Amino acid sequence: QVQLKETGPGLVQPTQTLSITCTVSGFSLTSYYMQWVRQTPGKGLEWMGFIRSGGSTEYNSEFKSRLSISRDTSKNQVFLKMNSLKTEDTGVYYCARGHNNPFAYWGQGTLVTVSS
Amino acid sequence: DIQMTQSPSSLPASLGDRVTITCRASQDIGNYLRWFQQKPGKSPRLMIYGATNLAAGVPSRFSGSRSGSDYSLTINSLESEDMAIYYCLQHNEYPPTFGSGTKLEIK
Repeated sequence: QVQLKETGPGLVQPTQTLSITCTVSGFSLTSYYMQWVRQTPGKGLEWMGFIRSGGSTEYNSEFKSRLSISRDTSKNQVFLKMNSLKTEDTGVYYCARGHNNPFAYWGQGTLVTVSS
Repeated sequence: DIQMTQSPSSLPASLGDRVTITCRASQDIGNYLRWFQQKPGKSPRLMIYGATNLAAGVPSRFSGSRSGSDYSLTINSLESEDMAIYYCLQHNEYPPTFGSGTKLEIK
């Protein structure tokens, strides 16, 4: 069955870079877009960006300058990297599947706390 | 970006009640509107897609409707397991945008 699971560092210091991995099973990354969404106390649910089945990416302009999404299809993994972290970036980060049927499947989320 | 204005933010209700949550879109989104349920510590669960279609496994007491730019989620005969936060999402154009959420709680 379709499964997605995020793994992240938990705690990140301000100004540092966040790296999260989304590992998927039950489908191929070459057939589906993969989306990233975060949920913060300040802004609620926010779409961050996606990587298309073909590997190209689109980002929310809110994060464009500091966000990067990539993948390793051989490992069924999608990666989110965001630099210059601030305390306001504290929240839960989710990967989710799809474009034609978007957000039908979500990972469990990974909590990221930005603090010194 | 398309703004989704969701109301109310909090909705006290009793078991067995019929409740309605509404999202208003700032631009035309057609029927590219989804509703999600989120319980504490869990990821959002898709409840309604295409504004009016029930997602797989969702009880029939849930329904979605549209009137112009207003989209509604209705729950008939509220059960205790329905207590959660509900969000709308438009995905007519990027960036997809979520409503601010409605917390459904027992009165």
